[in-house]
Amino acid sequence: GAVVSQHPSWVICKSGTSVKIECRSLDFQATTMFWYRQFPKQSLMLMATSNEGSKATYEQGVEKDKFLINHASLTLSTLTVTSAHPEDSSFYICSASEPGLGHEQYFGPGTRLTVT
Amino acid sequence: AQSVAQPEDQVNVAEGNPLTVKCTYSVSGNPYLFWYVQYPNRGLQFLLKYITGDNLVKGSYGFEAEFNKSQTSFHLKKPSALVSDSALYFCAVRDKGSSASKIIFGSGTRLSIRP
Repeated sequence: GAVVSQHPSWVICKSGTSVKIECRSLDFQATTMFWYRQFPKQSLMLMATSNEGSKATYEQGVEKDKFLINHASLTLSTLTVTSAHPEDSSFYICSASEPGLGHEQYFGPGTRLTVT
Repeated sequence: AQSVAQPEDQVNVAEGNPLTVKCTYSVSGNPYLFWYVQYPNRGLQFLLKYITGDNLVKGSYGFEAEFNKSQTSFHLKKPSALVSDSALYFCAVRDKGSSASKIIFGSGTRLSIRP
């Protein structure tokens, strides 16, 4: 149980275009979802926390107009990277939590974004 | 503010030997503590957690961790390492008293097990 999926697993896009990444909780209802960014050989940096039906809370230094997060249902959150630039290339990981599952977060497999 | 420190970027151990990956934490209240493992180009897999109760926590794949409140540590251990244990390991903490559910990750420790 407690499986989280991400789609796509990898994507290549051109500078200036927008890319949407989906995060789904497959067998539980995720009241809270998190989006992380991970640079090579580095730790996960929390970008934002989203609760179903409300606006996401962004961490300091993360541009909310560039990284649009929508958590429209208890099983789906999306991250849209708008007007992507090469410096946005990274590994994006989502996670989900539900109070009844015991406090830990369950992670998706990640999405590798390459902007050319 | 809560924080996590993993003082070792890399740990090298021979197969069959015991391994320890160190983690210390700082929170204003009582902590929830976690260990996760990441294989190349993959998401994180949950290994174990400390919420309350026994200080020695047993988790997946034979790993265990000991919560030490006085030393604010939560070191990950395994009695006998396997080559397949080679991966990136993250310690994470959440402040039990915080209304926010976000957790903070350490910088990660790369574990390399040589045959």
